[in-house]
Amino acid sequence: LAKTTQPISMDSYEGQEVNITCSHNNIATNDYITWYQQFPSQGPRFIIQGYKTKVTNEVASLFIPADRKSSTLSLPRVSLSDTAVYYCLVGASNRDDKIIFGKGTRLHILP
Amino acid sequence: EAQVTQNPRYLITVTGKKLTVTCSQNMNHEYMSWYRQDPGLGLRQIYYSMNVEVTDKGDVPEGYKVSRKEKRNFPLILESPSPNQTSLYFCASSLRGLGQGLSYEQYFGPGTRLTVT
Repeated sequence: LAKTTQPISMDSYEGQEVNITCSHNNIATNDYITWYQQFPSQGPRFIIQGYKTKVTNEVASLFIPADRKSSTLSLPRVSLSDTAVYYCLVGASNRDDKIIFGKGTRLHILP
Repeated sequence: EAQVTQNPRYLITVTGKKLTVTCSQNMNHEYMSWYRQDPGLGLRQIYYSMNVEVTDKGDVPEGYKVSRKEKRNFPLILESPSPNQTSLYFCASSLRGLGQGLSYEQYFGPGTRLTVT
């Protein structure tokens, strides 16, 4: 499973666009990139998943460059309720992969 | 409503007293998994199951047991709990498991906060 690196924390203000970048230099050919959101004392919640280029849903966009060694989660016009920990995961294409959430990025939205 | 349920949500117990945390999903998912979450350590996988009667160790399996006799249920068993197993536990399920497809999306339960004194 490819190791991921994310910023430990980020601050932003309500109404702004927030971009969280995840580095995954050893991503395998069949690996997908998945992002989860977690609020305190709740289970992580799936946000978005992609393989290459750009994916958009009602919550976020995911940008993946051609080399796939990084990805950027984009949250448009954040609100206070977007304050959470965001995890980037890569992999699961191999039977022996271990699912590793890492420590995630703690996003704090300010009024 | 599609969901993963866990019981109990909160549990305080004493060292050595066997306990079971139940997990059930209603989405007919093949893959189920248990995680523990501790401050500063993030989410770590304990055990997972690719299907009925198929289980495997995750990153931190010591002190835990699991079973998968039915597709919907995946209980976590602590035969002799110790204080270092005090943690927040999450069960999760997904349609596909490791190596079974190119992508996976896990659905998590609400968590079980366990305290072992």
